[in-house]
Amino acid sequence: GEDVEQSLFLSVREGDSSVINCTYTDSSSTYLYWYKQEPGAGLQLLTYIFSNMDMKQDQRLTVLLNKKDKHLSLRIADTQTGDSAIYFCAEANTGGFKTIFGAGTRLFVKA
Amino acid sequence: DVKVTQSSRYLVKRTGEKVFLECVQDMDHENMFWYRQDPGLGLRLIYFSYDVKMKEKGDIPEGYSVSREKKERFSLILESASTNQTSMYLCASSLTAQSAQHFGDGTRLSIL
Repeated sequence: GEDVEQSLFLSVREGDSSVINCTYTDSSSTYLYWYKQEPGAGLQLLTYIFSNMDMKQDQRLTVLLNKKDKHLSLRIADTQTGDSAIYFCAEANTGGFKTIFGAGTRLFVKA
Repeated sequence: DVKVTQSSRYLVKRTGEKVFLECVQDMDHENMFWYRQDPGLGLRLIYFSYDVKMKEKGDIPEGYSVSREKKERFSLILESASTNQTSMYLCASSLTAQSAQHFGDGTRLSIL
């Protein structure tokens, strides 16, 4: 079945860039999402990219999509302590009812 | 602004009890979802609903049921709570099945 994989932890220093990677298996994925979960809260949509795009930039966030390798990445420029959270990659396609979530990457930002 | 509200942030119940988790959305969304979140396992879909009175099993429906009598409300029911159902439960809604989901803040449920 469909699967989304991401590494579980990432640690960066404040001010550095963070890159969170994700791979997925469903070649018919149409929508790819990044969600952020802060402690004690639900998931919040951070950004998204359609499968016909290679890149999307939104302020400090850059999403890169390599459809050939089924690889998605989220780059956070000038990472701040407030960016410490769990980041979830997710994919959905037009044929299905389900969105498939990765296990989440916990980002630690060291001051 | 879009809002998904879960009735309780924390809940403690006993083994064997029937437990109700309530979720309400104010966005007129067709689709609603229940997930459980456990460390290292991410989000696992329990049930979802794409219309009033309609429900579909997700990946881990055993031990759970759902009810959607009104469009804005989606309830998760633990028929006879067990300790392995201790978890964080997240409700979400979306306009279409593939569009971004809006999440509530979660209910942390402990079964003793």
